[in-house]
Amino acid sequence: EDQVTQSPEALRLQEGESSSLNCSYTVSGLRGLFWYRQDPGKGPEFLFTLYSAGEEKEKERLKATLTKKESFLHITAPKPEDSATYLCLVGAGSYQLTFGKGTKLSVIP
Amino acid sequence: DAGVIQSPRHEVTEMGQEVTLRCKPISGHDYLFWYRQTMMRGLELLIYFNNNVPIDDSGMPEDRFSAKMPNASFSTLKIQPSEPRDSAVYFCASSRLAGGLYNEQFFGPGTRLTVL
Repeated sequence: EDQVTQSPEALRLQEGESSSLNCSYTVSGLRGLFWYRQDPGKGPEFLFTLYSAGEEKEKERLKATLTKKESFLHITAPKPEDSATYLCLVGAGSYQLTFGKGTKLSVIP
Repeated sequence: DAGVIQSPRHEVTEMGQEVTLRCKPISGHDYLFWYRQTMMRGLELLIYFNNNVPIDDSGMPEDRFSAKMPNASFSTLKIQPSEPRDSAVYFCASSRLAGGLYNEQFFGPGTRLTVL
């Protein structure tokens, strides 16, 4: 059975304190890994897509990386507006899409 | 573009009643997905359509749940009869054909369903 695990479940950072979120997966035939941001009361907002090990994507203070077993979302010098829940979605095999349960990030001024 | 549109945004109903959730995908998108989000289980894929045809409904929890897509600009998710354990936020998402199933999805704002 496909499994997607995100860690930590929650993370509190001081403004400017860099850190990483993890998404580990056990799937047959990775077809794509997606990172989303979700604010309270809203739908997930797309951030990045990664398709193969070694691939990296960057956007402002965020950088996503991918290996054969996991993906990291690195947050550099975060600001309070980066506070949100970050979700990982894994597409694999024959049309299997599995979300992780997310990491709730709080950035304290 | 207005993005994915869902209605209603909030629905409160009593156990046993029929509930219909509606979704309008982004124009030109070929895939449409229905998800359910709860605190316990997170986001779960219920069903998805490609070119208005249901492709995989293995995530639909029970026969009480049904979904249709009569045309490229409209889909419904129906629960009949509803039960308190159906209370959740239901999201609709759509994506373009380019890249196939594994292309970025754009989510609607969700419908918060409460079954009393």
